[in-house]
Amino acid sequence: DQQVKQNSPSLSVQEGRISILNCDYTNSMFDYFLWYKKYPAEGPTFLISISSIKDKNEDGRFTVFLNKSAKHLSLHIVPSQPGDSAVYFCAATRPHTGANSKLTFGKGITLSVRP
Amino acid sequence: GAGVSQSPSNKVTEKGKDVELRCDPISGHTALYWYRQSLGQGLEFLIYFQGNSAPDKSGLPSDRFSAERTGGSVSTLTIQRTQQEDSAVYLCASTPTLGSYEQYFGPGTRLTVT
Repeated sequence: DQQVKQNSPSLSVQEGRISILNCDYTNSMFDYFLWYKKYPAEGPTFLISISSIKDKNEDGRFTVFLNKSAKHLSLHIVPSQPGDSAVYFCAATRPHTGANSKLTFGKGITLSVRP
Repeated sequence: GAGVSQSPSNKVTEKGKDVELRCDPISGHTALYWYRQSLGQGLEFLIYFQGNSAPDKSGLPSDRFSAERTGGSVSTLTIQRTQQEDSAVYLCASTPTLGSYEQYFGPGTRLTVT
């Protein structure tokens, strides 16, 4: 039972164009969402996040959009660069209850940016 | 400063053997997590330590898996009587406070059980 779904396993875009990575979730208790980027043989690195009280968060070339009613979020990268080629994980978490603040991850999307 | 470190980076073991994986979190970080990523899967939560509180072990897949965190710093994940399905990348992450959602990951330990 996957609570965070990244249904497209891969995406290929031309350098300079927009990359749109999608993520859906099923648990309405999730209230904070994160995107992580992972290069081969390295651990995931935090990219950008959004709280459920917002519908958009922007950081440089990266923007995350949240549609709570649709339980959908997306990561936009504009303009895409070859160095953005990596696996992108969507993650979600519930409000802190006691000691539990684990992240629930999707399976990831492999982004390839063609020069 | 130094990030999260894990050792070994790679481990090949025979089925039935025990293995220990080590994680050194970022200094001062109070929360520590273990995840694993099996081939073609996302990161799967295993266990979580926060300060002196009892760990959240809800993600451990079987009683062959255990973890300790000594002195609120270094953590060791132990897998007893390894099975082939235990083959995965085991990732450790830490966060500075209970209120922080962003987790800082180490490079992982790739475990292969033959």
